[in-house]
Amino acid sequence: AQSVTQLDSQVPVFEEAPVELRCNYSSSVSVYLFWYVQYPNQGLQLLLKYLSGSTLVKGINGFEAEFNKSQTSFHLRKPSVHISDTAEYFCAVSLKSGTYKYIFGTGTRLKVLA
Amino acid sequence: GAGVSQTPSNKVTEKGKYVELRCDPISGHTALYWYRQSLGQGPEFLIYFQGTGAADDSGLPNDRFFAVRPEGSVSTLKIQRTERGDSAVYLCASTWTGGGEQYFGPGTRLTVT
Repeated sequence: AQSVTQLDSQVPVFEEAPVELRCNYSSSVSVYLFWYVQYPNQGLQLLLKYLSGSTLVKGINGFEAEFNKSQTSFHLRKPSVHISDTAEYFCAVSLKSGTYKYIFGTGTRLKVLA
Repeated sequence: GAGVSQTPSNKVTEKGKYVELRCDPISGHTALYWYRQSLGQGPEFLIYFQGTGAADDSGLPNDRFFAVRPEGSVSTLKIQRTERGDSAVYLCASTWTGGGEQYFGPGTRLTVT
């Protein structure tokens, strides 16, 4: 079975500072990896995904993530955050076959302070 | 183009009542997923449709929950004899077959009083 751990439930950071949101996963087989963002009272929006190839993945809104197979991690980073980045961020994995259903982490609430 | 839509956006019901939640996926998407997101948690898988058939319903918590997709497009999640523990946001997602990105709707917030 697969599992996803997001160790930080909340991350406060000042505007224009860098941020890293951590995601670790557990799986006995290869998986696809995703980061989604959820703004208040809205659905989930894809930030970026790792399916194969380069381990450094660039997404929307200046976010990027690096897949580290040996550490089973997929941490999300942004060099300079804005107030508008305040939201809930979810890491997810899916198998590379079968139903492709997502297993989500519990989320990290990013709060950007002025 | 139009994204995934879900209706109603909010539903308040009394314990013991029956509810239906609707999902309208992106046109052409054959795969459809339902997830449930409880307060402070990540979404949890409920059921997956490929076309008209439920290919994986392993996430449905019990037999009070049922979902259909009769024509391979719109799906309805049905909950019988609702309980307060069913209160959550129910999310629907769709995609082309073969994995990759899922496209999520805005969700239906269900409150059971």
